[in-house]
Amino acid sequence: AQSVTQLGSHVSVSEGALVLLRCNYSSSVPPYLFWYVQYPNQGLQLLLKYTTGATLVKGINGFEAEFKKSETSFHLTKPSAHMSDAAEYFCAVSVGYGGATNKLIFGTGTLLAVQP
Amino acid sequence: DVKVTQSSRYLVKRTGEKVFLECVQDMDHENMFWYRQDPGLGLRLIYFSYDVKMKEKGDIPEGYSVSREKKERFSLILESASTNQTSMYLCASSLLAGPDTQYFGPGTRLTVL
Repeated sequence: AQSVTQLGSHVSVSEGALVLLRCNYSSSVPPYLFWYVQYPNQGLQLLLKYTTGATLVKGINGFEAEFKKSETSFHLTKPSAHMSDAAEYFCAVSVGYGGATNKLIFGTGTLLAVQP
Repeated sequence: DVKVTQSSRYLVKRTGEKVFLECVQDMDHENMFWYRQDPGLGLRLIYFSYDVKMKEKGDIPEGYSVSREKKERFSLILESASTNQTSMYLCASSLLAGPDTQYFGPGTRLTVL
């Protein structure tokens, strides 16, 4: 069965520092992988997704993620954190469901704090 | 831009009440989803629908039902609300049946007393 593990429920970085949020997945078939962000009191918004092709995926707000099949990982990075990046981040894997549609399996989330 | 709206941002209900949470999307999406979000558990799928009048159970359907009479509207029903259903409820929609982006509403924070 497919699953997602996010290492670190809370991550704190200084403004301008590298952001690294970890995600490992388990999937018996080639996975489709997503990162979503949730700002306070809002719904989730797509940051980026990997379906096929290039393994380095660029998303919005300067974020990117690299699909590494050998490591079953899809870590999210940003070279320089900004105060506005403070939010909760969710990694998700897409699971086929009887051919009708795909559903998402979410990780438990990582809350990113950015210190001035 | 896709817009997914939910009828209430905050809702307080009493144990045993029947509760309706409404979700509307304006982009003619085929698929709609209901999740609940709890601290430390992430998002868990309650029900989803891939067509009008069609519904499928997700991972935690117990105590919930859904209705999709029109393509743009997907309702979540708590037949008899209980305190353990206090949570944030998120609705989402997607266009395609494959690994397509899901677009989320702002959420309804439900408290059951």
